[in-house]
Amino acid sequence: EAQVTQNPRYLITVTGKKLTVTCSQNMNHEYMSWYRQDPGLGLRQIYYSMNVEVTDKGDVPEGYKVSRKEKRNFPLILESPSPNQTSLYFCASAWTGSNQPQHFGDGTRLSIL
Amino acid sequence: SQQGEEDPQALSIQEGENATMNCSYKTSINNLQWYRQNSGRGLVHLILIRSNEREKHSGRLRVTLDTSKKSSSLLITASRAADTASYFCAPTGSGGSNYKLTFGKGTLLTVNP
Repeated sequence: EAQVTQNPRYLITVTGKKLTVTCSQNMNHEYMSWYRQDPGLGLRQIYYSMNVEVTDKGDVPEGYKVSRKEKRNFPLILESPSPNQTSLYFCASAWTGSNQPQHFGDGTRLSIL
Repeated sequence: SQQGEEDPQALSIQEGENATMNCSYKTSINNLQWYRQNSGRGLVHLILIRSNEREKHSGRLRVTLDTSKKSSSLLITASRAADTASYFCAPTGSGGSNYKLTFGKGTLLTVNP
């Protein structure tokens, strides 16, 4: 089954403790992206990647890092999490080229205390 | 990337009725996509309409696009309780901005049994 898998689904942690949210897709998509969703603000893009070793900032990249060492994986790294990064995070993937829909994971709910 | 603005913010109807939600955007687009999000879950791609198309159907969904007014509408016919969700539009520009989907706050549709 074609899917985007995020782990963990839920995480409560404390300020400053490094964490990684993993994202894996099995569709051989070139494009992958991370979004955060906050009440009243909609979804905002954090980082995206057009292919292996190619990443670029989205609209809200501060405080986040990403890497794309393999095509299927696109982890989101919070080196020193802060409470304002408490949010619902989504990973997505797609084929490159025009008119391609994005496929989303089920989300990761992060709470930073 | 440009953001679509969905209207209304909330819509409550009875099962069997039709639901119409609208999307407005600001600059020229390559295509416009509609997504659905069930509470707390990832977004699911519903339908994509290209800038040279005026209307598209998929099952009980009908999407129209008016590029002169920079607007789109999503019609769900014969609604069901399972259609209860938030609906988002994502206008995508040409070239590199095709991948930077930006989602607004969406329309929360409630279908009452």
